[in-house]
Amino acid sequence: DAGVIQSPRHEVTEMGQEVTLRCKPISGHDYLFWYRQTMMRGLELLIYFNNNVPIDDSGMPEDRFSAKMPNASFSTLKIQPSEPRDSAVYFCASSPLLDNDKNIQYFGAGTRLSVL
Amino acid sequence: QQQVKQSPQSLIVQKGGISIINCAYENTAFDYFPWYQQFPGKGPALLIAIRPDVSEKKEGRFTISFNKSAKQFSLHIMDSQPGDSATYFCAASIGWGYQKVTFGIGTKLQVIP
Repeated sequence: DAGVIQSPRHEVTEMGQEVTLRCKPISGHDYLFWYRQTMMRGLELLIYFNNNVPIDDSGMPEDRFSAKMPNASFSTLKIQPSEPRDSAVYFCASSPLLDNDKNIQYFGAGTRLSVL
Repeated sequence: QQQVKQSPQSLIVQKGGISIINCAYENTAFDYFPWYQQFPGKGPALLIAIRPDVSEKKEGRFTISFNKSAKQFSLHIMDSQPGDSATYFCAASIGWGYQKVTFGIGTKLQVIP
C-alpha cells in the first residue's frame, strides 16, 4: 500500500479564500483523523471518523472548518473563509481498529497551508 | 487544557549520548502511551508504545520508562545517533482500541557529531 496520501503538499492562498485539503486513507482502515500542527500548540486533533461517520469534531476550531468523508477512500477538510491564523501543517492519519495488538495511527506527509 | 505535558521542547545531545524526553499526564483513565517520531517534511510514525501494567519497555536503543503513581513516563534513546534527529511526540489514549489520542507538544531532538 502507498500509505496515507494527502494533497496538495503545499497550499498558498489569500485570506478569505476557500481551501480544500484532501486525503486518501490506507485501504481497509476503519478510522480517519485530521490533525493540525503548529509550533505553539503541537499536534491537535480536529476531527475523526469511524467507518465514514464523524465521531468527534470537538477539536474543529470554528464553523469555518468542515470535514467530510463521502466514502471509505476519500476525505476532505475545508476552510471557508481562510484566515492567516489557519496557517499550519495539516495531517491526515488512518488506523485499523487494532494492528498487531497495538493502536497505531498512520500519518500522511501533510499539507503545509499558508494563508497570506 | 494540555492533558499531556512534554519537556523539553528542544534537546541537543552529542553522538553516543543518552537523550531523555519526559512526559506527564493528568487523566488517570489513560492506559495506552505511544511515542511517535517525526522527521522533517514527514508525518509522525509510531516508534514504541507501553501500557501501564509494565514499568519499562525496550526496543533496540529506545526505552520507555513508566511511573504510574507519578503519572509520568519518559523516552530514553541510548547511544544517540545523528539519524535520530527528529521531533518526538509522547501521547496517551483511553481504552483498548479507543482511537482518540492526545499528543504532547513535541520535542525537537538534534544529535550532533
